[in-house]
Amino acid sequence: GQQVMQIPQYQHVQEGEDFTTYCNSSTTLSNIQWYKQRPGGHPVFLIQLVKSGEVKKQKRLTFQFGEAKKNSSLHITATQTTDVGTYFCAGPNAGGTSYGKLTFGQGTILTVHP
Amino acid sequence: DAGVIQSPRHEVTEMGQEVTLRCKPISGHNSLFWYRQTMMRGLELLIYFNNNVPIDDSGMPEDRFSAKMPNASFSTLKIQPSEPRDSAVYFCASSLQETQYFGPGTRLLVL
Repeated sequence: GQQVMQIPQYQHVQEGEDFTTYCNSSTTLSNIQWYKQRPGGHPVFLIQLVKSGEVKKQKRLTFQFGEAKKNSSLHITATQTTDVGTYFCAGPNAGGTSYGKLTFGQGTILTVHP
Repeated sequence: DAGVIQSPRHEVTEMGQEVTLRCKPISGHNSLFWYRQTMMRGLELLIYFNNNVPIDDSGMPEDRFSAKMPNASFSTLKIQPSEPRDSAVYFCASSLQETQYFGPGTRLLVL
């Protein structure tokens, strides 16, 4: 079945350092979504990328969708303690009708040391 | 607008007891998802509904788990009998297209 893999599983950074997490799908995706889960919280939608090679920015966060639409990345510039959490990528079900089902990556847990 | 509502937020029960988790999706959303999250297994999709109809329950771990969606504004996930290994955070999420909106979760501890 469809698999979505993320690396790294954990990342520890000093405040002010940059951070990148990578997402790879076993199948071509129609779109890729990113979610953030704060410690003790629930996953919250951040952004959706649809076009091949698309790049979107949200303040210090930069999201990219690969040309082949099978991989994506999230880059945070100059991390802050508020960036702490788990970042998930997710892609819709491959083939057929998905009814909104997403396959989530296992997430990257980011810790930021002040 | 209210987001996805889940109750209870926390549940502590003893092994063998029945546990019922409740979810109210965002009004107008037509898909509802139940997830379980643990440190060991991450975020797992248990079952999902579209227009109140179960579409895929292949993620339900055992017959002890059951889920219903009697109408568009309410769903339940039931565990009977509960076991200590069921301890986890259970999330409900709803969607209209492909973006999912998660509820705050129910933290379940089975002693």
